[in-house]
Amino acid sequence: SAVISQKPSRDICQRGTSLTIQCQVDSQVTMMFWYRQQPGQSLTLIATANQGSEATYESGFVIDKFPISRPNLTFSTLTVSNMSPEDSSIYLCSATRSEGETQYFGPGTRLLVL
Amino acid sequence: ELKVEQNPLFLSMQEGKNYTIYCNYSTTSDRLYWYRQDPGKSLESLFVLLSNGAVKQEGRLMASLDTKARLSTLHITAAVHDLSATYFCAVSKAFGAGSYQLTFGKGTKLSVIP
Repeated sequence: SAVISQKPSRDICQRGTSLTIQCQVDSQVTMMFWYRQQPGQSLTLIATANQGSEATYESGFVIDKFPISRPNLTFSTLTVSNMSPEDSSIYLCSATRSEGETQYFGPGTRLLVL
Repeated sequence: ELKVEQNPLFLSMQEGKNYTIYCNYSTTSDRLYWYRQDPGKSLESLFVLLSNGAVKQEGRLMASLDTKARLSTLHITAAVHDLSATYFCAVSKAFGAGSYQLTFGKGTKLSVIP
């Protein structure tokens, strides 16, 4: 298995500011992902964080709004830029080592934008 | 576009009863994942089903996969209160680009009552 930690665990931010969320895995992984989950809702994939190259974004998500870095095989960051109240959500990081293996999820970052 | 449908979305069960949660998906896939999420918590991996006819059991939960019918089931036997949670199924493409990415169902919120 893989143990994933996220920082911060929660934050309250002002409209127009940016927040960077960190995701750390306790072992090297092949793939890392970022999801968004509204309370009581399902998970929506934002992007795949590619090591050493630009992230791959899903439809409806763009790099200018959600820049992602992945400098090595155990760490990734997601920035939520120019935040609005609609960005209030739970942001989850996940990772997997191989196709067919489960994705392991971090504890999530609960973001409230005022 | 891969679509994943779960039903029911809400399930209230009496302790000791049996029930089944269904997960249908729209395109060919050999990979089906079940997760559990407790309120305010992250996702915990329950089962990974990688081939037609796969069946896995853990305690009172049993999951199966029928790739021809594009259907997975999560069967609950003699429910207990500790099983109260939201259960998600997720599907990934069988191969090629995007074979790591998961598409989640909306989740089934299970409440087990005495």
